[in-house]
Amino acid sequence: KQEVTQIPAALSVPEGENLVLNCSFTDSAIYNLQWFRQDPGKGLTSLLLIQSSQREQTSGRLNASLDKSSGRSTLYIAASQPGDSATYLCAVSTGTASKLTFGTGTRLQVTL
Amino acid sequence: EAGVTQSPTHLIKTRGQQVTLRCSPISGHTSVYWYQQALGLGLQFLLWYDEGEERNRGNFPPRFSGRQFPNYSSELNVNALELEDSALYLCASRWTVYTEAFFGQGTRLTVV
Repeated sequence: KQEVTQIPAALSVPEGENLVLNCSFTDSAIYNLQWFRQDPGKGLTSLLLIQSSQREQTSGRLNASLDKSSGRSTLYIAASQPGDSATYLCAVSTGTASKLTFGTGTRLQVTL
Repeated sequence: EAGVTQSPTHLIKTRGQQVTLRCSPISGHTSVYWYQQALGLGLQFLLWYDEGEERNRGNFPPRFSGRQFPNYSSELNVNALELEDSALYLCASRWTVYTEAFFGQGTRLTVV
């Protein structure tokens, strides 16, 4: 059974800092890994999708890496802004079940 | 291009009643996923529909059911509502397991 863990559970940083969010998964036989952000009470917004054959993906100030063999992914956010404050979730697609298995998220607060 | 749309956005039901939630996927997406997000908890997988068939379901009782229509839209039905069914219900769609999943804004269900 796939299990996904995210560390830290919460993070508070001052504006302008670079930060790293971590995601680990137990079954390395994944199709891909996707990072999302969720604002309070809202749906999920897709940030990045990394296929199992890829090592990293970049979108603007975001960079996600994937080490499938060790079951780890990191999301790097450069020059953080207050608008980045949200919960960040990683999810993996595994096996014939095809469902996305989510971590419990990292709640990020960027302060002025 | 329209994203994933869900309706209604909010609703309040009485314990024991039945409710139907609706989801329209992005055009061209044949897979629809339903997730439950109770307050303070992570996303729990409910159901996966693809090409009109139920392909997988999560660890939920049979009173949670649904269907997918020929146009790939989907309904989630919950019978005999219980207080603990109060949650944000999220729908996602994607073309295949290898492609990006997109979520709707969710339906907030409150059971009183």
